[in-house]
Amino acid sequence: NSKVIQTPRYLVKGQGQKAKMRCIPEKGHPVVFWYQQNKNNEFKFLINFQNQEVLQQIDMTEKRFSAECPSNSPCSLEIQSSEAGDSALYLCASSLGGAGNTLYFGEGSRLIVV
Amino acid sequence: DAKTTQPDSMESTEGETVHLPCSHATISGNEYIYWYRQVPLQGPEYVTHGLQQNTTNSMAFLAIASDRKSSTLILPHVSLRDAAVYHCILRVVGQGGSAKLIFGEGTKLTVSS
Repeated sequence: NSKVIQTPRYLVKGQGQKAKMRCIPEKGHPVVFWYQQNKNNEFKFLINFQNQEVLQQIDMTEKRFSAECPSNSPCSLEIQSSEAGDSALYLCASSLGGAGNTLYFGEGSRLIVV
Repeated sequence: DAKTTQPDSMESTEGETVHLPCSHATISGNEYIYWYRQVPLQGPEYVTHGLQQNTTNSMAFLAIASDRKSSTLILPHVSLRDAAVYHCILRVVGQGGSAKLIFGEGTKLTVSS
């Protein structure tokens, strides 16, 4: 069973609505990643954090997407105005950091935009 | 970005040993080779990883070519529970050790009884 906890497992939103997903990383893991997996099972890296600081993010994330990892609270990924193309499985992963340390994934939050 | 090439699909029968190949001809010296597997409606599950030496754990054996341009994930005595999409991924070290994973399309392994 995954030690990375993602909620909700499923959410359905109308176009233009906000969609917010949460992630509790594995205890002691300072690095958190968000990925988007589309219906063709293709993965897209969105953003990652080390503690509360953003390490890397793609252009898409800088516009309609926002994410944060506050101390003592779950990390979150929010889409300000959902579009049909945002329908996907959003995966959170955590790690101790560094190339030799494994990323462990949660079960994902499946967003359906109608 | 570093990329890997895998067959789209492979078929096997319960009890067989399965060899899943992966090509990564442009791998850099500091990039790790990771394998994950994923079943529908679940997140990817870590299988194993290596840098240069072959590795083994309770799930699989990872054989890495001496030039590191290819690797093979070996699954001994597969069961129906091993049916999944297997992803071979290179771990790219970025700024601040962010080390994100670059996923390919993976190999869909089918296991029949």
